Amino acid sequence: DAGVTQSPTHLIKTRGQHVTLRCSPISGHKSVSWYQQVLGQGPQFIFQYYEKEERGRGNFPDRFSARQFPNYSSELNVNALLLGDSALYLCASSATGTSGSYNEQFFGPGTRLTVL
Amino acid sequence: DAKTTQPPSMDCAEGRAANLPCNHSTISGNEYVYWYRQIHSQGPQYIIHGLKNNETNEMASLIITEDRKSSTLILPHATLRDTAVYYCIVTPPVAAGNKLTFGGGTRVLVKP
Repeated sequence: DAGVTQSPTHLIKTRGQHVTLRCSPISGHKSVSWYQQVLGQGPQFIFQYYEKEERGRGNFPDRFSARQFPNYSSELNVNALLLGDSALYLCASSATGTSGSYNEQFFGPGTRLTVL
Repeated sequence: DAKTTQPPSMDCAEGRAANLPCNHSTISGNEYVYWYRQIHSQGPQYIIHGLKNNETNEMASLIITEDRKSSTLILPHATLRDTAVYYCIVTPPVAAGNKLTFGGGTRVLVKP
């Protein structure tokens, strides 16, 4: 079975530009989460979506937005890019996103974004 | 979510057991201990989790102290492919949005 896939694998943008990152979850998984990992640090939670609804949001500015599609794939959008947005962006999928249970999160390989 | 403290790095000899400690002295009664690892240039990978009892799977064993204030992840026979950053995470099962709060982790280097 295919794991979580992300595209593109690498991306170079300049300050002020906009970027869209894409994620396809494992087949049958309805929850997608996004994380940002700056070099040398652990991943930081950005968003979680379940059944096309936002279920959780981390401490990130409004320049960051996301959405989930009917096929459960997801996009992360970042506007007005800053140098500090340079990072590895990870997508994770899990079977459910409902309260009352924990489901193992399966991570994709990430998209490495470089902002010049 | 409770905060965790891990040593920043440790070395381990290939074929020997690797014991990775984690302190979580502020853990709440309903919080689980999870371990993930991240091999270079890959996304994090789930290893194991537990609440009170010790747990074992094909990858590792998790030993949780009786007061639940600390735990140890044991890789029974470390291989070079176990070189990675290991993250200890404490979170309740009803975590908002299935959020995982990663700290700095322990960078484990398995040496031949």
